[in-house]
Formats: sequence, C-alpha cells, structure tokens
Amino acid sequence: DVKVTQSSRYLVKRTGEKVFLECVQDMDHENMFWYRQDPGLGLRLIYFSYDVKMKEKGDIPEGYSVSREKKERFSLILESASTNQTSMYLCASRPGGEIYEQYFGPGTRLTVT
Amino acid sequence: AQSVTQLDSQVPVFEEAPVELRCNYSSSVSVYLFWYVQYPNQGLQLLLKYLSGSTLVKGINGFEAEFNKSQTSFHLRKPSVHISDTAEYFCAVRRSANFGNEKLTFGTGTRLTIIP
Repeated sequence: DVKVTQSSRYLVKRTGEKVFLECVQDMDHENMFWYRQDPGLGLRLIYFSYDVKMKEKGDIPEGYSVSREKKERFSLILESASTNQTSMYLCASRPGGEIYEQYFGPGTRLTVT
Repeated sequence: AQSVTQLDSQVPVFEEAPVELRCNYSSSVSVYLFWYVQYPNQGLQLLLKYLSGSTLVKGINGFEAEFNKSQTSFHLRKPSVHISDTAEYFCAVRRSANFGNEKLTFGTGTRLTIIP
C-alpha cells in the first residue's frame, strides 16, 4: 500500500512564525503536491514538484514556499504565518507515467493565532 | 483553464436509497475526470476515474459514474447507500495526457449524509 505521511495532524502557531509542514511518501513517486482545503472552496493547489529540486506554482502560491531535497520528502514552508493561512493542508503524491491517481496523506490542520 | 462545478454542497439520503452526486466541468480540451472520497478525519482516496473508452465507469464501494461529453458532466451514482458512505465527495478534472500539465482541479465538494 502507498503511504503518504504528514508530520503533524494538528498544529497551532502564532502570527509571524515560520512554519514547516513535512510530507513523506514511501513509494518512490516522482510527483508530489501540496493543497489547502477550506470549507466551500474544495482543494486548491499550492505547489507541486515533479522531481527532486524541481517545483512549480499552483493556483495559490502566495505566502508559501516549498523544498524537495530528497525524492520521498516534500516540505511546505510558511515564511511568516498569518491568520488567513489557518486551514487544512493536504499532501499528495503520484507516480510518473500514465498513472493519474494521486495518493493523499491524512492532512495537517494548522491554526494560526 | 478547466473548472469543476459541484452544484450540491450537501445531500441527505435515507439508508438503502439511491443517490446521485452531480459534477459538471468546463474545458476547451479533452480531459480526464475523477471522483475522490474523504471520510471524516482522513485524506482523500480515489473512488473512480475516467480516462477514455466506456463512458460508464465503475469504482470502489459500489459507486459508478457516467461521462457525458455533450453535457460536460460526470455524475456519481450508487443504487443503495449505507451509513458507511457518509463522507465528502470531490469531483476533479485535469487535461488529458496530450496536453501535459500536472494540475488537477477540484470541485468544492458534496457532503453526503446518510440518514438511518
């Protein structure tokens, strides 16, 4: 079974703090993704990566950055957390080639106060 | 760019009754279509997908969906629901492989509640 794990299920941070959300997948997938999920808005893509050290902006990259130094790990960074970044963050991965299913982690619920 | 509309944000259904969750998409090129399910306090998992071929697609847990190109729809159906189907359901679209681009666009979700 594909497993995507996220470092925390719940996180509470203060405004202005630097926040790291970590995602690890154990199936050697090329592609990894970060989404945020908000009620009534569905999932919105923040960033994705199709290879180590490669990244592309999604729909809402402002206020976020990412890092992918190893194939299995994809980090989402909030340089200076703000209250409007309070949300559920979901990580996903996908193999390369013509397999289009994305495999999701359980999510991190981040609250910024 | 492609977009997805899920018109129903909440759908209550009695146990053992049939259900249809609606999804309409918009795209100027050919697309792949997906339904994902999110059970409470979990991530998303794939229910079914349409890439090509037969327009009627069967997925896990007794769900099926029909791709209708003329109506740009991909509605999800189940003939008899169970309490365990209580979850949020997301329709998603991406451009087909011919057009590259990794981006998967999700709808806003439909919360299915099963009434005992």
